[in-house]
Amino acid sequence: GDSVTQMEGPVTLSEEAFLTINCTYTATGYPSLFWYVQYPGEGLQLLLKATKADDKGSNKGFEATYRKETTSFHLEKGSVQVSDSAVYFCALSDDGGGSYIPTFGRGTSLIVHP
Amino acid sequence: SQTIHQWPATLVQPVGSPLSLECTVEGTSNPNLYWYRQAAGRGLQLLFYSVGIGQISSEVPQNLSASRPQDRQFILSSKKLLLSDSGFYLCAWSTRDRGYNEQFFGPGTRLTVL
Repeated sequence: GDSVTQMEGPVTLSEEAFLTINCTYTATGYPSLFWYVQYPGEGLQLLLKATKADDKGSNKGFEATYRKETTSFHLEKGSVQVSDSAVYFCALSDDGGGSYIPTFGRGTSLIVHP
Repeated sequence: SQTIHQWPATLVQPVGSPLSLECTVEGTSNPNLYWYRQAAGRGLQLLFYSVGIGQISSEVPQNLSASRPQDRQFILSSKKLLLSDSGFYLCAWSTRDRGYNEQFFGPGTRLTVL
């Protein structure tokens, strides 16, 4: 079955540092890939997505490129802010025979210090 | 625009008591609906999903149940809560207009079973 593996957290950075959160996946089909963000005490929000190989998703300074050859979708940001502190989830979704059940990674906590 | 509501926002219940959590979606029709649980410090666990009124699929056998009495209403219930039912419960929806791949999450319900 499908699976998503994210790097273990927490990731602790100083403000303005470069961020990478690794995500690799296993899927039998051609899934869409997503990054969701969860701020403390809130639900998940879609951060960015890519629907086919070599697509780059971007939003709020975050980027991720769909790499089919390495089955990866790493999240990057050039300069993090304290307000980026949150849990980040990598996810994939394919039609799964019509059920559209996404597969989520376990989440990576990001802590940004001033 | 579409919105999703969950209530209550927080709940403290004794072991053995019943549970009813409600989720409603506005601004879309025929959504797929999902219930997730997030235990402290852990990832998302899919509990139930529904592709239409009265159609419920269970992903994890347990003492919880779900119902969908109306197109945009999804209810999570239990007859007798266990300590292990504590967690953060998230409702989500997806829709054909977005290929069913993106999920949109509610604000969540924090349940503490004592």
